[in-house]
Amino acid sequence: RKEVEQDPGPFNVPEGATVAFNCTYSNSASQSFFWYRQDCRKEPKLLMSVYSSGNEDGRFTAQLNRASQYISLLIRDSKLSDSATYLCVVNRGYGGATNKLIFGTGTLLAVQP
Amino acid sequence: GAVVSQHPSWVICKSGTSVKIECRSLDFQATTMFWYRQFPKQSLMLMATSNEGSKATYEQGVEKDKFLINHASLTLSTLTVTSAHPEDSSFYICSATGSRETQYFGPGTRLLVL
Repeated sequence: RKEVEQDPGPFNVPEGATVAFNCTYSNSASQSFFWYRQDCRKEPKLLMSVYSSGNEDGRFTAQLNRASQYISLLIRDSKLSDSATYLCVVNRGYGGATNKLIFGTGTLLAVQP
Repeated sequence: GAVVSQHPSWVICKSGTSVKIECRSLDFQATTMFWYRQFPKQSLMLMATSNEGSKATYEQGVEKDKFLINHASLTLSTLTVTSAHPEDSSFYICSATGSRETQYFGPGTRLLVL
């Protein structure tokens, strides 16, 4: 079983739709959590950190449930430019050299005009 | 935001040759740099963690004698793939972190070994 599991998709949605991605992680000692975005043949870029209290950045809302080891990302009013692979990432470390990012395989989102 | 560069962005080489990839933090001092590898349709996998002035820490299953890492300064780390073979063809990505937790990723290097 992978340490970070995601539905690979693809998720094909029309512009303006709301789409939700889910992720589970198996290591309860994981310290911090993130969503990254990766465009085709590019490096991953940090989208947002994820907190138990939930956090929102514009059209994006992320939520962490530590008890069930579950992370979610909600995208509202999807844009064509949102088309990308969304990576669920957990960090086992405490910062600096102790950081160890574990990446999920990603969920592919394709927003259709 | 912090900028990390990688060079070259892509490289094609013959089997048996060695390839060096550079990772530079352009506007901050990177106490730690990380090297990842991503095969098609797979997730990024951490290969090694590199601290300035000390030996790299390799992840299980990564051969340290094949993937040589040097982190000689706070702004430069290099990964050398020695005696590259076709199975080493992959997307190699570095990241760098300073005093805070955020890792800033380089644009990656595509290696194709013929």
